[in-house]
Amino acid sequence: EVQLVESGGGLVQPGRSLRLSCSASGFTFGDYTMSWVRQAPGKGLEWVGFIRSKPYGGTTEYAASVEGRFTISRDDSKSIAYLQVNSLKTEDTAVYYCTREVVGAGDYWGQGTLVTVSS
Amino acid sequence: QLVLTQSPSASASLGASVKLACTLSNGHSSYAIAWHQQQPEKGPRYLMKLYSDGSHSKGDGIPDRFSGSSSGAERYLTISSLQSEDEADYYCQAWGAGIRVFGGGTKLTVL
Repeated sequence: EVQLVESGGGLVQPGRSLRLSCSASGFTFGDYTMSWVRQAPGKGLEWVGFIRSKPYGGTTEYAASVEGRFTISRDDSKSIAYLQVNSLKTEDTAVYYCTREVVGAGDYWGQGTLVTVSS
Repeated sequence: QLVLTQSPSASASLGASVKLACTLSNGHSSYAIAWHQQQPEKGPRYLMKLYSDGSHSKGDGIPDRFSGSSSGAERYLTISSLQSEDEADYYCQAWGAGIRVFGGGTKLTVL
């Protein structure tokens, strides 16, 4: 059974950093692109970025709204994807989801982890 | 620019059918999309991938009541025999070489 479990969220002050983790099980993690999506309170889904699998270069792409502040990485030996979020702003407050992608779309989602940015 | 447009809300009666629409922006009418469902207070769930020719591939465990169709730049999600648990937000999503885009979502109310 495919499972994705996010962790690392919490309350953080503006300007600070946080690292979110997505622990995967039930599939060969290294074969898949992993994506992060966020949802601000009461709002829709917003794509954050993704990291390709190593056979496809392991490269990353980001939404313009987070480019330069967010970094996605992966540890295939541990089946974990990471989202490093720096210089946090109040508008980054959201539930952050990771997804396993198959040809551009997530076919499995985690339950999400809440990041609240507030002083 | 790749943009997806969805109506903010829809409603239909228990046991009836409903057809939700997602419109691709100009120049992107050949793109495939995915549909995702988000029930209240839950994370999203992948429903299906839908191609421009109307063919679709559903996620694990998605009932036959859910189907997709296409016409030009329109991508549709049809839910038949509506049940109370179908009351949810439905998002379409498209992708390009280095980008992913979500529609604004349609909130479906089952009357």
